[in-house]
Amino acid sequence: AQSVTQLGSHVSVSEGALVLLRCNYSSSVPPYLFWYVQYPNQGLQLLLKYTTGATLVKGINGFEAEFKKSETSFHLTKPSAHMSDAAEYFCAVSPAGGYQKVTFGTGTKLQVIP
Amino acid sequence: GAGVSQSPSNKVTEKGKDVELRCDPISGHTALYWYRQSLGQGLEFLIYFQGNSAPDKSGLPSDRFSAERTGGSVSTLTIQRTQQEDSAVYLCASSSQGPNEKLFFGSGTQLSVL
Repeated sequence: AQSVTQLGSHVSVSEGALVLLRCNYSSSVPPYLFWYVQYPNQGLQLLLKYTTGATLVKGINGFEAEFKKSETSFHLTKPSAHMSDAAEYFCAVSPAGGYQKVTFGTGTKLQVIP
Repeated sequence: GAGVSQSPSNKVTEKGKDVELRCDPISGHTALYWYRQSLGQGLEFLIYFQGNSAPDKSGLPSDRFSAERTGGSVSTLTIQRTQQEDSAVYLCASSSQGPNEKLFFGSGTQLSVL
């Protein structure tokens, strides 16, 4: 079984401030981890993913996330928020290998304050 | 097609009526997912098709919900005897083989049950 917990359904940051969106996962086997983003009135798109190898992964638009096995976490960060980052962000997990489903968290809405 | 296509984009129906939602995945994608996105509920997994394997129906909320995928391509999600709590955006996603492959999402069907 697998699950994802995203702490904070809404996060507000000032423009230029650090963005930190939290994601913790539960998986009985090694996980693949993903962050998806949904901009207003648009479909979900992949931001970044971790499968194997380097635990710090970089995605589009300056976002990155670090897989920490000991903490079962995959938090999303960006050093400096931009107005265009306002969106809803979803963390997701699937078991490594095999062909099992992807499970999403409940999402975090990021508001960027000018 | 170039992306995942869902139809209709909007559906308004009366309580108790049946509805069918259609998803055309990207050609060649063997994995197909249905999710439901409700306000405050995040992305709720409904059903997962992978190739010729039996679908994972573990997310279907009741026996009023069913889905099929014909010829390994187009999928239809059917909701019988719709209820007001079924109102949500229904999202379809597809991916090529492998759970580490990113999901491509359609724009969704906004279902409103009056």
